[in-house]
Amino acid sequence: DVKVTQSSRYLVKRTGEKVFLECVQDMDHENMFWYRQDPGLGLRLIYFSYDVKMKEKGDIPEGYSVSREKKERFSLILESASTNQTSMYLCASSWELYSNQPQHFGDGTRLSIL
Amino acid sequence: GESVGLHLPTLSVQEGDNSIINCAYSNSASDYFIWYKQESGKGPQFIIDIRSNMDKRQGQRVTVLLNKTVKHLSLQIAATQPGDSAVYFCAEGDNYGQNFVFGPGTRLSVLP
Repeated sequence: DVKVTQSSRYLVKRTGEKVFLECVQDMDHENMFWYRQDPGLGLRLIYFSYDVKMKEKGDIPEGYSVSREKKERFSLILESASTNQTSMYLCASSWELYSNQPQHFGDGTRLSIL
Repeated sequence: GESVGLHLPTLSVQEGDNSIINCAYSNSASDYFIWYKQESGKGPQFIIDIRSNMDKRQGQRVTVLLNKTVKHLSLQIAATQPGDSAVYFCAEGDNYGQNFVFGPGTRLSVLP
């Protein structure tokens, strides 16, 4: 089975801090994704990457950046955390582009910004 | 997560009955569709998918129906069990494999 592992289940940080969320997948997937999930809004795509060192903006990239130095690892960075970034963050991975394959998700990181 | 389903529509079914969860999608050009199940405190779990050149696909106890004419997707769960209680949501995707739009979800509650 595909395993997508997010490093923290719960995280509490303060406004203005730089926050790193880590995600690792073990299936040699090309694509990796970061979403946030908020009540009533569903999943919204922040950033995705289709290869090492490649990144593409999703629907809500403002206030975030990403890093993909190795194929299996995709990091989400909150440059200067704000309270409106309190949310559930979900990482996902999938096979290469044009393959019509489902995304596989980790169990999420619930981030609270105080 | 615990707060994901605060504003979601809820479907309550008796244990052993069949469940039908519906989803309307927006883009007539979407050609790949997925159903996910999300239990409290966990990430979405892939259930079943269907491509636009099909109108029905069956898995173990689940069936997905696709009606492209009215842009409607449904998930049927046979003999619903307590372990099926979760939030279910659909996703529609394009041919590129990375641009998915996720529905808001429906909470399925299985009554004993």
